[in-house]
Parts: sequence; structure tokens; C-alpha cells
Amino acid sequence: DTEVTQTPKHLVMGMTNKKSLKCEQHMGHRAMYWYKQKAKKPPELMFVYSYEKLSINESVPSRFSPECPNSSLLNLHLHALQPEDSALYLCASSRDLETQYFGPGTRLLVL
Amino acid sequence: AQSVAQPEDQVNVAEGNPLTVKCTYSVSGNPYLFWYVQYPNRGLQFLLKYITGDNLVKGSYGFEAEFNKSQTSFHLKKPSALVSDSALYFCAVAFRSYQKVTFGTGTKLQVIP
Repeated sequence: DTEVTQTPKHLVMGMTNKKSLKCEQHMGHRAMYWYKQKAKKPPELMFVYSYEKLSINESVPSRFSPECPNSSLLNLHLHALQPEDSALYLCASSRDLETQYFGPGTRLLVL
Repeated sequence: AQSVAQPEDQVNVAEGNPLTVKCTYSVSGNPYLFWYVQYPNRGLQFLLKYITGDNLVKGSYGFEAEFNKSQTSFHLKKPSALVSDSALYFCAVAFRSYQKVTFGTGTKLQVIP
């Protein structure tokens, strides 16, 4: 298995909702990442987990809460989001903290 | 701080012609350099990387890139463009001791039939 999967593919939520994004990989990678990408812009790093521990938080607002239950799973919990949080959320994993393999993303719309 | 620049927002090339997508970097030390491609509504796909060794790196789908330390460049090339190569291309830089990859602003490649 050489892919990163993300669910759901699309998500529409209101500003008072709580939802979660899920990411899974079975490549034995020990680093996992969350990125936010606006249209026609480069991905912006949000969080990095290394060996299931949060190692980088790029000053992301607390309405985004990451979780790494095990080495294969990465979640992003969303609460009280703003319309400007609408974007493509990408998960990635890497074995060697260099080459990252990306999932297809979750397209999020906040109303 | 590490940074990477892609000077062209868009590159247009005729099918069958060679293509070049430019990237320059600004870092101290010895960076790792990457190219990724993104098709519409998809995640990024890894194309190739340079760590050390031969300055010419070969990657997926017939792409290659040339590392030039004196010009701090890492241009992506392909001898013969295909319409299916049309996509958004990102150059990126990282250091071995860091977990952060910094992406360039992206270049949209349009291959014209």
C-alpha cells in the first residue's frame, strides 16, 4: 500500500459545527503532516507529528486541533471555524522527514 | 531562513516541444530540493528530489531537474511535453535536520496541442 487516504473528500459545515478530518497511511511512515491550501497557492504547513508526537505547530488557531491516535492515523478536529478557513486540507506522510507523500485532500467549505 | 522562488506564474509550451519550469532557492548550507506536481482538485504528487551527488536528477513521467549550486537553481525539464503534463508545479526546499518543507508559489504549466 503506497498511498495516503483522506476522508471525507468534501465537507460543508456551519460555523458552530464540530467535525473531523481523517488521514491514514500504511507505509510505515513515522512523520505525518497537515497542510492548508487555498486555490492556486502553495500548501501552508499547519502541524507535523513525528513518532506520534506533535513536533511542529505553525501557530495554528485553536479551532483546529490535531490528533495522532497511532502511527497510521492522523485526525484534524474542527470546531467553530470561520468562512476564511474554507480550503483544501492536505495530509502527507514521510519516512525520512524529506520526501512527503500527499493524500488527495478534503475540500472544506465553511458557511 | 530558507526560501524558494518560482519566477513564472505560468508557462505555455507546444506539445512535443521541450519544457522548462524554473526554480531558484535561497538557503545556507546544503538543501534538499524537490519538485511536486498537482492536478486539479488533487493532492501533490512527488516527481523528483536532489539530495547530493549527480547534478542531473531523473524523476517520474520523464521529468528531470538540474541542480546548479553556483546559480542556486533547480529547474525542472522534460524533452518533449505532453498535453497531460498540464498541471501546477511546485518547487520545494528542506533541510535534513528540519521537518519543514517550504514550497514555492507554483507554476502553472499549459501544454498546447
